[in-house]
Amino acid sequence: DTEVTQTPKHLVMGMTNKKSLKCEQHMGHRAMYWYKQKAKKPPELMFVYSYEKLSINESVPSRFSPECPNSSLLNLHLHALQPEDSALYLCASSLGGGGRAKNIQYFGAGTRLSVL
Amino acid sequence: AQKITQTQPGMFVQEKEAVTLDCTYDTSDPSYGLFWYKQPSSGEMIFLIYQGSYDQQNATEGRYSLNFQKARKSANLVISASQLGDSAMYFCAMREDNTGANSKLTFGKGITLSVRP
Repeated sequence: DTEVTQTPKHLVMGMTNKKSLKCEQHMGHRAMYWYKQKAKKPPELMFVYSYEKLSINESVPSRFSPECPNSSLLNLHLHALQPEDSALYLCASSLGGGGRAKNIQYFGAGTRLSVL
Repeated sequence: AQKITQTQPGMFVQEKEAVTLDCTYDTSDPSYGLFWYKQPSSGEMIFLIYQGSYDQQNATEGRYSLNFQKARKSANLVISASQLGDSAMYFCAMREDNTGANSKLTFGKGITLSVRP
């Protein structure tokens, strides 16, 4: 089973709203990721959590706030977003660990976010 | 310089025929991994196949195979017996193992494949 579950599938929010995206996996993976993807572009890495600690923040604006409550769950809290933040937000997970491990990232189906 | 290059314009293939999607990469790291993902219009990124830089044989997964030519730094995806459900965008990606951030994937721009009935 390589399932990563993301909720909601679609989200429309105003620029003053606060909302959260949720990501869950039960594969025992210890690394989890948030990506942002614009139409017909490759995904752009936002955050990486490794063993529940934030290990990479790709200079993401503070209106995006990640949280990893436990090894199976990853949240992305959204506040005061801009229309240009409208995109597909993808969550991924992998076994973690370094070196030559395959460390394949498995992705969820994404949340399509529209900011009005 | 781009680390992953996918230069083919939109690709078309007849159902049941084979198709090759090109990917070249650039790294000075001797240890790296190469990945191919499929993204249908629904949005989910689906992992297809993995090739490690030290793997002696080309990777295969069902109808997918990876033509790995290390000296040429290419990792082309071959899809045999194309099906209508193969119509999607395909991304090549690389992970470099000795950069200190081996969790990061570098993606190419992607190739759109359309399978004709």
